[in-house]
Amino acid sequence: DIRMTQSPSSVSASVGDRVTITCRASQGISNWLAWYQQKPGKAPKLLIYAASSLQSGVPSRFSGSGSGTDFTLTISSLQPEDFATYYCQQANSWTFGQGTKVEIK
Amino acid sequence: QVQLVESGGGVVQPGRSLRLSCAASGFSFSNYGIHWVRQAPGKGLEWVAVVWHDETRKHYVDSVKGRFTISRDISKSTLYLQMNSLRAEDTALYYCVRHVQDLRDAFDIWGQGTMVTVSS
Repeated sequence: DIRMTQSPSSVSASVGDRVTITCRASQGISNWLAWYQQKPGKAPKLLIYAASSLQSGVPSRFSGSGSGTDFTLTISSLQPEDFATYYCQQANSWTFGQGTKVEIK
Repeated sequence: QVQLVESGGGVVQPGRSLRLSCAASGFSFSNYGIHWVRQAPGKGLEWVAVVWHDETRKHYVDSVKGRFTISRDISKSTLYLQMNSLRAEDTALYYCVRHVQDLRDAFDIWGQGTMVTVSS
């Protein structure tokens, strides 16, 4: 089974900060990677697919990069509505990372 | 409006069974693979099962193999998850989710979830 490891598990940041979250796959997955945002009490929302493609309607401050085993999600300028938990997911067998909570500093 | 609506959750004793349903609307149900993803209280997301658009393939996470069965009724645009021999560790919010091949199999539509609590 492919395991996904995210880091950090949580990050404290301020509005306007640049935030980067890392996701590592236990084996190569090409670009079969997606990123999701989940707010408390809500279903997850797709942000990025195919490692770097922005889902329709998602603000351009979100970006993804990487291929193979190492991936990143970057929020270029953190907004109040971005405080949430973020998950990576490999789309070969659909396992998720453990999540990264972005909190207000 | 494209949506997935889950139902069937509840409180059940260990060892008993429960069947979840997921009603799809606003899109051609027969063209998409549909998954169940669960989230235990305060925990992360766990993929549970998938049925391919044509039902030729079904896959399960190891922890539910032999206990859970995923199926779909195209005529009713409805997905099911039959859960047998339930355990306390199956307690979670269960989401029905659509994957899109054109999005590298990412999950673009999520239901609101239905809660399953396994407790004596």
